[in-house]
Amino acid sequence: AQKITQTQPGMFVQEKEAVTLDCTYDTSDPSYGLFWYKQPSSGEMIFLIYQGSYDQQNATEGRYSLNFQKARKSANLVISASQLGDSAMYFCAMRANTGKLIFGQGTTLQVKP
Amino acid sequence: DAGITQSPRHKVTETGTPVTLRCHQTENHRYMYWYRQDPGHGLRLIHYSYGVKDTDKGEVSDGYSVSRSKTEDFLLTLESATSSQTSVYFCAISPSGGGDGYTFGSGTRLTVV
Repeated sequence: AQKITQTQPGMFVQEKEAVTLDCTYDTSDPSYGLFWYKQPSSGEMIFLIYQGSYDQQNATEGRYSLNFQKARKSANLVISASQLGDSAMYFCAMRANTGKLIFGQGTTLQVKP
Repeated sequence: DAGITQSPRHKVTETGTPVTLRCHQTENHRYMYWYRQDPGHGLRLIHYSYGVKDTDKGEVSDGYSVSRSKTEDFLLTLESATSSQTSVYFCAISPSGGGDGYTFGSGTRLTVV
């Protein structure tokens, strides 16, 4: 069975600092994908970054990078130079080879000015 | 043009009544998903579809049924609504269920009284 775990219910970060949001996963599939989504208070789900299980390099998208450690089954999101607009709920998700996409419990990030 | 729309956006219903939520897409994507979001649980997969008339259960499928008779519509039915089904329901679509991404609808807030 697949499982995604986010152990940090809430995080604080100072504006302009970097922050790491943790995500661990469990699957027996050799082929899978890992996603991070942002959900601001308005409720929409915003795609941030994707990492495939066979990708050799860690994914990066602007200020977002995914620290993929396959042996540890972790896929942590790193946000550099935090901005006030980064305050939101962040979800880690895993796509199984069946196409099923499952989510972690989420981490609420608050950026302090 | 949003590409994916959910209806209704808000609904209040009484315990024991059947309720149907609709997800409509104009992207011709193969995969469609229904999730519920509750505080502390993140998004939990209810059912998903990998083609017309092809559906599978997710993590929390009890009390829910789905139908997909055409590519563009994925219906979620609560056979007999209960207060525990009060939640925000999200629909998502994906071209291949892979790394090409998932697009989410705006959500339906359902209250069962």
